[in-house]
Amino acid sequence: NAGVTQTPKFQVLKTGQSMTLQCAQDMNHEYMSWYRQDPGMGLRLIHYSVGAGITDQGEVPNGYNVSRSTTEDFPLRLLSAAPSQTSVYFCASSSGVQAFFGQGTRLTVV
Amino acid sequence: GQQLNQSPQSMFIQEGEDVSMNCTSSSIFNTWLWYKQDPGEGPVLLIALYKAGELTSNGRLTAQFGITRKDSFLNISASIPSDVGIYFCAGQSIYSGGGADGLTFGKGTHLIIQP
Repeated sequence: NAGVTQTPKFQVLKTGQSMTLQCAQDMNHEYMSWYRQDPGMGLRLIHYSVGAGITDQGEVPNGYNVSRSTTEDFPLRLLSAAPSQTSVYFCASSSGVQAFFGQGTRLTVV
Repeated sequence: GQQLNQSPQSMFIQEGEDVSMNCTSSSIFNTWLWYKQDPGEGPVLLIALYKAGELTSNGRLTAQFGITRKDSFLNISASIPSDVGIYFCAGQSIYSGGGADGLTFGKGTHLIIQP
């Protein structure tokens, strides 16, 4: 019973590098979303998707791209990493308003 | 966007004590959720509330949907060491389109338990 799986768990990037954070869910949920968690800021929505082929911006979308080619997968791409993107990233899939979270990816940009 | 004020920011309590935390909003919400995040893990849903005045329990946890629809409370009775973590409230405004994209999260309450 995997739920939401995120990879990698930890990543260090140099400024300017690009990378993709992977997220997969096996619950057949239409809604998927990406959040970042920073100290004192709680969870902030980056991008979300209401189904395959449909994505939209959340509260803090700048510097990130997403795509949704299948129901199961929702990768998050950092185009040119910046130190301000150092954070813990959570992917979630949702049934109605109840979000189920992955274990997170801790990203450090140096 | 919607603003959620969650308090307190942190709590230092003794094992066995009861815990209370709350969230307030400047606008009306039609759903309140409470999550717990263990260190190094993602948030896990504890309780979901869908109706004003609703009181729901999950073991030693009890949460209430405020009658004004602008607040929610979470109580933990007889705290134990595994209750340590960050507790988040989340709400969905009546003005959102539905689905988790309409959720707003509080900034969390850090619960620390001293044996």
